[in-house]
Amino acid sequence: AQTVTQSQPEMSVQEAETVTLSCTYDTSESNYYLFWYKQPPSRQMILVIRQEAYKQQNATENRFSVNFQKAAKSFSLKISDSQLGDTAMYFCALKDSNYQLIWGAGTKLIIKP
Amino acid sequence: SAVISQKPSRDICQRGTSLTIQCQVDSQVTMMFWYRQQPGQSLTLIATANQGSEATYESGFVIDKFPISRPNLTFSTLTVSNMSPEDSSIYLCSAGQFNEQFFGPGTRLTVL
Repeated sequence: AQTVTQSQPEMSVQEAETVTLSCTYDTSESNYYLFWYKQPPSRQMILVIRQEAYKQQNATENRFSVNFQKAAKSFSLKISDSQLGDTAMYFCALKDSNYQLIWGAGTKLIIKP
Repeated sequence: SAVISQKPSRDICQRGTSLTIQCQVDSQVTMMFWYRQQPGQSLTLIATANQGSEATYESGFVIDKFPISRPNLTFSTLTVSNMSPEDSSIYLCSAGQFNEQFFGPGTRLTVL
């Protein structure tokens, strides 16, 4: 069965620092997508970044980048120059051929001024 | 990307009543999903809404309790029937393809 594990329930950093959120997963499929979602207190779930398993190059979206280690089944999110608006719950998720998202438990990220 | 709207955004209901949540997507999508989320926790998939056929429910969720409609490729409804306080939660509509999935703003339901 597919699983997604986020081992950091909560993290806090100072504004402008860099922070890395960890995620490991398990799947027996060769073709799948990995996602990071952000959910601020407004509860709107926002897609931050996605990575296709077949692509070796790590995805990047502005200040957000991932470190995708396929063999290790690791998919960490790096947030550079963190901002107060980055404060949110961050969820790692896996989607395979079943078209369903398998979710991690989430990491609560607090950016301190 | 797809923009998803949900109505109502929140509601307070009496036990034993039913509430229907509407989900509208601004473009045609293959897959639509309904999730439940307790504050501070991860998402639990209730069902996949299939266009033109019955929804596919996850373990622990049944059609009598959570009937779902999907009359076309842009719209779906979820009804929470015969509500009890245990149904108090946030209900999220989601839609997308294999390589992307987007979410509505959620409906916060409180059952008294």
